[in-house]
Amino acid sequence: GAGVSQSPSNKVTEKGKDVELRCDPISGHTALYWYRQSLGQGLEFLIYFQGNSAPDKSGLPSDRFSAERTGGSVSTLTIQRTQQEDSAVYLCASSLETGGFKRTQYFGPGTRLLVL
Amino acid sequence: AQKITQTQPGMFVQEKEAVTLDCTYDTSDPSYGLFWYKQPSSGEMIFLIYQGSYDQQNATEGRYSLNFQKARKSANLVISASQLGDSAMYFCAMRERNSGNTPLVFGKGTRLSVIA
Repeated sequence: GAGVSQSPSNKVTEKGKDVELRCDPISGHTALYWYRQSLGQGLEFLIYFQGNSAPDKSGLPSDRFSAERTGGSVSTLTIQRTQQEDSAVYLCASSLETGGFKRTQYFGPGTRLLVL
Repeated sequence: AQKITQTQPGMFVQEKEAVTLDCTYDTSDPSYGLFWYKQPSSGEMIFLIYQGSYDQQNATEGRYSLNFQKARKSANLVISASQLGDSAMYFCAMRERNSGNTPLVFGKGTRLSVIA
């Protein structure tokens, strides 16, 4: 079946502009996660959704970052007034539920964001 | 303190040989799951193998096996009969039950290079 998809795959923007990153999870997966991976680094958690609600926003690095999820499916991560330090790969993952620590998260291909 | 430690920034292995990638973790939660992911140059995170803290046997998935030593808090990934396509970054990750079953915590990764 179809995996997690993300768009755009690459985004180049100018400092100060807003960007929107989209994630389409695996059908039926109720949990959705956003991570950020800076060059040569591990993954940094940003936010997760259970259904349409976001119980944990603790990883968002600043108030310029926001995310929403509608219909329990597609999620959008928005970065306002982008800064050069926002340049990274933004990865989305989904899993069946968050009820158990055993649940495997399946990742999309990522969006590579470059802020000039 | 780091929850996941991968001490090998880079590893080389000869094609067809076996290789072990180290991972140690830190938790006081008796219930947790350990995951290994592969990230090729394309950027997508590919789930490889899972080990639960209460699992009696070491996990195996094809050429991948996990050398789980609970008392030492280590979960090393063993890749047998290495192939050129195994060249990638490998990340160890953990999820604790008492963390609210939310994000995975990742190590910084090990870059594996398979030599012909």
